[in-house]
Amino acid sequence: GQSLEQPSEVTAVEGAIVQINCTYQTSGFYGLSWYQQHDGGAPTFLSYNALDGLEETGRFSSFLSRSDSYGYLLLQELQMKDSASYFCAVRDQRETGANNLFFGTGTRLTVIP
Amino acid sequence: EAGVAQSPRYKIIEKRQSVAFWCNPISGHATLYWYQQILGQGPKLLIQFQNNGVVDDSQLPKDRFSAERLKGVDSTLKIQPAKLEDSAVYLCASRGYEQYFGPGTRLTVT
Repeated sequence: GQSLEQPSEVTAVEGAIVQINCTYQTSGFYGLSWYQQHDGGAPTFLSYNALDGLEETGRFSSFLSRSDSYGYLLLQELQMKDSASYFCAVRDQRETGANNLFFGTGTRLTVIP
Repeated sequence: EAGVAQSPRYKIIEKRQSVAFWCNPISGHATLYWYQQILGQGPKLLIQFQNNGVVDDSQLPKDRFSAERLKGVDSTLKIQPAKLEDSAVYLCASRGYEQYFGPGTRLTVT
């Protein structure tokens, strides 16, 4: 099966930098995705890492270490609108051949003034 | 480009009743997913379609849940009969480069 661990809650100050860690266990690992979800909203795609290293998209960056089964999402210059839940999800090649996402339980980020 | 559409947005039913949800994916997306998201948890995959065929339904409770995608575009997910523990948001997603989610249907079973 699959398992993912990420902190349940993080609080950070507006303008600061925050890092949300994710460790995973799975077979048939393809890559790690990050999604943002505001209360009552749909998950929205942020980033995807298939290879080791850092991917940067504007204020958001994501890192993957396949050997450590570890990744993180880095949010810079935090804004109040970044308050949301952030999910890591492993893309997994199952026995069925399906290439699916398996989500962690999410990290609730609260940005304070 | 239009996003994934779902309806209804909210539904309240009594236990043992049946309910159906509808999803229209992004145009051209062959792969469609249904997820269940219980409050405070991440989305959990229920079923994956590729065009009108089921690729993975290993986590679908088949005694009460069913889903179809007859023409390879729209999809419906049905629960019959519903239980209290089915209260959740049901999300539909379709895949291009990544998975794109619809707004979900919030189901409350009383």
